[in-house]
Amino acid sequence: NAGVTQTPKFQVLKTGQSMTLQCAQDMNHEYMSWYRQDPGMGLRLIHYSVGAGITDQGEVPNGYNVSRSTTEDFPLRLLSAAPSQTSVYFCASSGQSIEFFGPGTRLTVL
Amino acid sequence: GQQLNQSPQSMFIQEGEDVSMNCTSSSIFNTWLWYKQDPGEGPVLLIALYKAGELTSNGRLTAQFGITRKDSFLNISASIPSDVGIYFCAGQRSGAGSYQLTFGKGTKLSVIP
Repeated sequence: NAGVTQTPKFQVLKTGQSMTLQCAQDMNHEYMSWYRQDPGMGLRLIHYSVGAGITDQGEVPNGYNVSRSTTEDFPLRLLSAAPSQTSVYFCASSGQSIEFFGPGTRLTVL
Repeated sequence: GQQLNQSPQSMFIQEGEDVSMNCTSSSIFNTWLWYKQDPGEGPVLLIALYKAGELTSNGRLTAQFGITRKDSFLNISASIPSDVGIYFCAGQRSGAGSYQLTFGKGTKLSVIP
């Protein structure tokens, strides 16, 4: 039981490049979410999903897309990376109202 | 978006001392959660609180769900060096299948041996 896994652990992008951050969970949780963490800002919700085929925006969705084709996977896409998207990204899944977090992806956009 | 006011922002304490931190909100939450984050890791759940007035312990940690449902506190007794990290409170307003959490900005704890 791996819990919540995220890849890659580190990534450097140039402005304008696109990439997908991967997230998978093996706990059969319906609810999954993406957060970004910036110094002094805590964790802010980007997008979330209450089940396969259903996604919705969180507090800071601009510049990010998500999809949920399976219960297990919830990838986060950056269509055109900007320096303001330099951050640490956490994926989480929830069962019984408790969120379990992945180890994070540290993204730098130059 | 919703805001949780978490205080203090940071603390420097001597090993063996007790620690107290709290979160307040202008909105009511159904669940309060406390997480700890070690450097380079994701947040890990410490304590979950589900009822107003609930007092729950997990080893040296004790947390309470405020009676008004707008606040919560976390106490750590007899701190040790491995308590170092960032502690986050999170409030949840359940409903419609959503488990959306609102996080405080964190309390950074440093323990001096």
